[in-house]
Amino acid sequence: DQQVKQNSPSLSVQEGRISILNCDYTNSMFDYFLWYKKYPAEGPTFLISISSIKDKNEDGRFTVFLNKSAKHLSLHIVPSQPGDSAVYFCAATYTGNQFYFGTGTSLTVIP
Amino acid sequence: NAGVMQNPRHLVRRRGQEARLRCSPMKGHSHVYWYRQLPEEGLKFMVYLQKENIIDESGMPKERFSAEFPKEGPSILRIQQVVRGDSAAYFCASSPRGGDHNEQFFGPGTRLTVL
Repeated sequence: DQQVKQNSPSLSVQEGRISILNCDYTNSMFDYFLWYKKYPAEGPTFLISISSIKDKNEDGRFTVFLNKSAKHLSLHIVPSQPGDSAVYFCAATYTGNQFYFGTGTSLTVIP
Repeated sequence: NAGVMQNPRHLVRRRGQEARLRCSPMKGHSHVYWYRQLPEEGLKFMVYLQKENIIDESGMPKERFSAEFPKEGPSILRIQQVVRGDSAAYFCASSPRGGDHNEQFFGPGTRLTVL
């Protein structure tokens, strides 16, 4: 039962352009959402999070948007840089303990 | 300040053997979480432990898998009588406290291959 879904397995973007990664969820109890970035042979690294009481959170080049009615969140990276090339996972929780992860989107930023 | 440490990074076992995966949380963190990532899939929660206590093991298979986090030493994920389907990357994460939407810090993972 995949409660968090990332329907795009891969995305390619030109350097300097905007990258938009999408994530959908099914469990309306989720109240905290996170994005993690993962390089090969490494563990996921926390990127940015958002509480369900907000609809936007920004940190430098990274912005996460939350649409609760649509059960949808997105991560915007502007401008995209080659070093952003990685697999991005969205995650959600309602207990604060168990995180539910999506299957990941592999982002390639083309120089 | 060292991050979450996991060892071994790679582990090869034959079917029927036991696998022991170790996780040392970040300094000051007393909450540990284990996740498994099968090929082409996301991370799946297995178990959440505090020192000497299992808090939530709802994601752990009922047989062959066990986890502990003793008062001293690392957290151990133990898989008995491994089968080929156990081949996966196992990630450990830690946080300074549980619940309350804390960020979890992940280790580099242990890649288990069952021959």
